Amino acid sequence: NAGVTQTPKFQVLKTGQSMTLQCAQDMNHEYMSWYRQDPGMGLRLIHYSVGAGITDQGEVPNGYNVSRSTTEDFPLRLLSAAPSQTSVYFCASKLQVGSYEQYFGPGTRLTVT
Amino acid sequence: TQLLEQSPQFLSIQEGENLTVYCNSSSVFSSLQWYRQEPGEGPVLLVTVVTGGEVKKLKRLTFQFGDARKDSSLHITAAQPGDTGLYLCAGRRGGSNYKLTFGKGTLLTVNP
Repeated sequence: NAGVTQTPKFQVLKTGQSMTLQCAQDMNHEYMSWYRQDPGMGLRLIHYSVGAGITDQGEVPNGYNVSRSTTEDFPLRLLSAAPSQTSVYFCASKLQVGSYEQYFGPGTRLTVT
Repeated sequence: TQLLEQSPQFLSIQEGENLTVYCNSSSVFSSLQWYRQEPGEGPVLLVTVVTGGEVKKLKRLTFQFGDARKDSSLHITAAQPGDTGLYLCAGRRGGSNYKLTFGKGTLLTVNP
């Protein structure tokens, strides 16, 4: 039982490049979400999904796309990276939208130059 | 405007000391959580409090939810170097809103 896994651990992009941050969980959780963590800003919700095929926007969704084709995977796509997207990205999952117990992945540190 | 204010922002103490960190808001939350995050890792849930006035203990850590459900505190007794980390509080507003709002965190360093 690996929990929540994220790849890559580190990534450097040039402005305008695109990439996908991968997130997977093996706990059969319905609810998955993406956060970004910036110094002095705390964790902010980007997008979330309450189940396969269902996604919705969080607090800071601009510049990011998500899809949820399976229960296990919830990739985050940056279509055209900008320096403002330099951050640490965390994926999280929990059994259902109303559940309290939430599990975070180890994070992806992204730098956009 | 930060919905959840955490204080202090930084705290450096010696092993064996006691400490309290705070999480305050002008808004009411249906539940509040505390997480600990170590460098290079994701946050790990420590506790969830859901009732005003509720007190929960986790070994040397004591968590309290304010009577009005607008604030919370985390007290650590006899701190150890292993307690070092970023402590985050996160609140859920309730009703159909299940989204979590996070505070900016308190960075605790316990020196041996």
